[in-house]
Amino acid sequence: NAGVTQTPKFRILKIGQSMTLQCTQDMNHNYMYWYRQDPGMGLKLIYYSVGAGITDKGEVPNGYNVSRSTTEDFPLRLELAAPSQTSVYFCASMASYNEQFFGPGTRLTVL
Amino acid sequence: RKEVEQDPGPFNVPEGATVAFNCTYSNSASQSFFWYRQDCRKEPKLLMSVYSSGNEDGRFTAQLNRASQYISLLIRDSKLSDSATYLCVPYRGSTLGRLYFGRGTQLTVWP
Repeated sequence: NAGVTQTPKFRILKIGQSMTLQCTQDMNHNYMYWYRQDPGMGLKLIYYSVGAGITDKGEVPNGYNVSRSTTEDFPLRLELAAPSQTSVYFCASMASYNEQFFGPGTRLTVL
Repeated sequence: RKEVEQDPGPFNVPEGATVAFNCTYSNSASQSFFWYRQDCRKEPKLLMSVYSSGNEDGRFTAQLNRASQYISLLIRDSKLSDSATYLCVPYRGSTLGRLYFGRGTQLTVWP
């Protein structure tokens, strides 16, 4: 099992550009999450999903969109990149027993 | 009031030392707790789950005090490899797996 995979590992965007961060899990977990972590800070929840076709906002959803068409995939879309979105983005998944498994992260810089 | 509060440290201890971190949480409805460790520039990984009064796993012991709403993590015989940031994470079943991460406590173990 690969667990939770994320692509790309690193990306530099210009202000106003768009991109999609990919997240895939092969553990058949229903719950999936997107977090961002700024330097020296804790993780902030952006969006989450409790199953295919169901998504909801977390603490900091502005500037992002998600979709969940399959159990395995949970992509995060940035439409108009801003410097404030420079961060490390982690995707996580969870079965029903509460341990969240994290992907290795995507380091995004917006210049 | 923040969902969870931890002393950010840093804690700097020599190899072999015993070190303890405390974490306070604000919501008395929190049912279970997790300690995650996060290495520099890496994803968080689950260290220990706490569902009742405490848990022990080798050199690591977690103790929960529901009356005072705090949980502690004790590390005995510290190793260099224990250097990381430790995240205390309370969980409520009503939140659909949403976890609230604080900034964590940074530990450095020196030889």
